[in-house]
Amino acid sequence: DTAVSQTPKYLVTQMGNDKSIKCEQNLGHDTMYWYKQDSKKFLKIMFSYNNKELIINETVPNRFSPKSPDKAHLNLHINSLELGDSAVYFCASSQDPEGSTDTQYFGPGTRLTVL
Amino acid sequence: GNSVTQMEGPVTLSEEAFLTINCTYTATGYPSLFWYVQYPGEGLQLLLKATKADDKGSNKGFEATYRKETTSFHLEKGSVQVSDSAVYFCALSDHGFNKFYFGSGTKLNVKP
Repeated sequence: DTAVSQTPKYLVTQMGNDKSIKCEQNLGHDTMYWYKQDSKKFLKIMFSYNNKELIINETVPNRFSPKSPDKAHLNLHINSLELGDSAVYFCASSQDPEGSTDTQYFGPGTRLTVL
Repeated sequence: GNSVTQMEGPVTLSEEAFLTINCTYTATGYPSLFWYVQYPGEGLQLLLKATKADDKGSNKGFEATYRKETTSFHLEKGSVQVSDSAVYFCALSDHGFNKFYFGSGTKLNVKP
């Protein structure tokens, strides 16, 4: 039933580790996104993929690498985790990359804590 | 460039009070405008949207009107409930790129 799902919901890890967050959508959407929400609730887009191709890549350290094996999945891999990476990461999807009226559907978020 | 500015929170109201959360935007074209709501521990959900000037979006007693002349999309509700306590985000989408710009969020606390 879940439209956009993410795993894990919580992730606690040490500095320097490598971790992945998975995202899947069953809405048949063409476009998927990753957002980072900081402790002040500010939401910033990181990446956007359309049909497995990268279309938005904001100024994000290259330690962050998105991977889209198919259009229903967009995973986020983070190398050499730093304290500043602690945040809530949201995956989202929408139907049409050309349209400006499309609603984005968000996953429940993954709370990453780097110790 | 594109940007969204929201009133800072938190906003604390008593149940049945009138709510206004201000949102203004800067855009190079004619964006679509959205309000999203985030309940504690959850992801963002679309609350309402408007796609062109003078459109009014409404849902669950909330409404907002797309005002091009004042570049605003203020969220209003006539009578808030405790269950409306959440963080509210104003957003705009950029034509052709489906890129969203979110405001900083406004936390609403409604007390019984």
